[in-house]
Amino acid sequence: NAGVMQNPRHLVRRRGQEARLRCSPVKGHSHVYWYRQLPEEGLKFMVYLQKENIIDESGMPKERFSAEFPKEGPSILRIQQVVRGDSAAYFCASSETVNTEAFFGQGTRLTVV
Amino acid sequence: GENVGLHLPTLSVQEGDNSIINCAYSNSASDYFIWYKQESGKGPQFIIDIRSNMDKRQGQRVTVLLNKTVKHLSLQIAATQPGDSAVYFCAENPEVSGANSKLTFGKGITLSVRP
Repeated sequence: NAGVMQNPRHLVRRRGQEARLRCSPVKGHSHVYWYRQLPEEGLKFMVYLQKENIIDESGMPKERFSAEFPKEGPSILRIQQVVRGDSAAYFCASSETVNTEAFFGQGTRLTVV
Repeated sequence: GENVGLHLPTLSVQEGDNSIINCAYSNSASDYFIWYKQESGKGPQFIIDIRSNMDKRQGQRVTVLLNKTVKHLSLQIAATQPGDSAVYFCAENPEVSGANSKLTFGKGITLSVRP
């Protein structure tokens, strides 16, 4: 069984460009969570999605950030007009239900230059 | 504000000894707690969880203790091995809508196992 797959593993963007981070959940999981981790920090919740619906986006910055989890295909975290402060590791997790164990992917390390 | 924090940034233990990692939380409404292990360059890996209606839960070589009176969570690792070297995070869910819906993570503590 494949776990949570995130790609790319590493992403370099220049300031002002767009970053698209992809997350394929564990097969059969319909709940997806995105977290951001700064160096030597814990993970910070960003958004919780359940197939085609955003359930909780209280951790998402109001501007430039968006997330989707379409009926078919991976979940996408999109960051428009990236700035240096967006440099971080972005982790996706998935679970079968909201109360069962969530499995994390290996993360995408975004570097903005 | 509400937060989850760890007492010490690093912990060094001798191989074979027991390790105890501590975590304090301030949200008395938290209902669900999880310990994660994160190795370098990898995502967090679930270790063990506990709900607020329990005060102790055991897994394979690991035990989680929850003291709701003082809002304290600890992870005990028996017979620590080199493979246990990693950063450990405690996380809580202050929401009632679901255990995983919105986890709040602590800053992390590095466990270093001496051979």
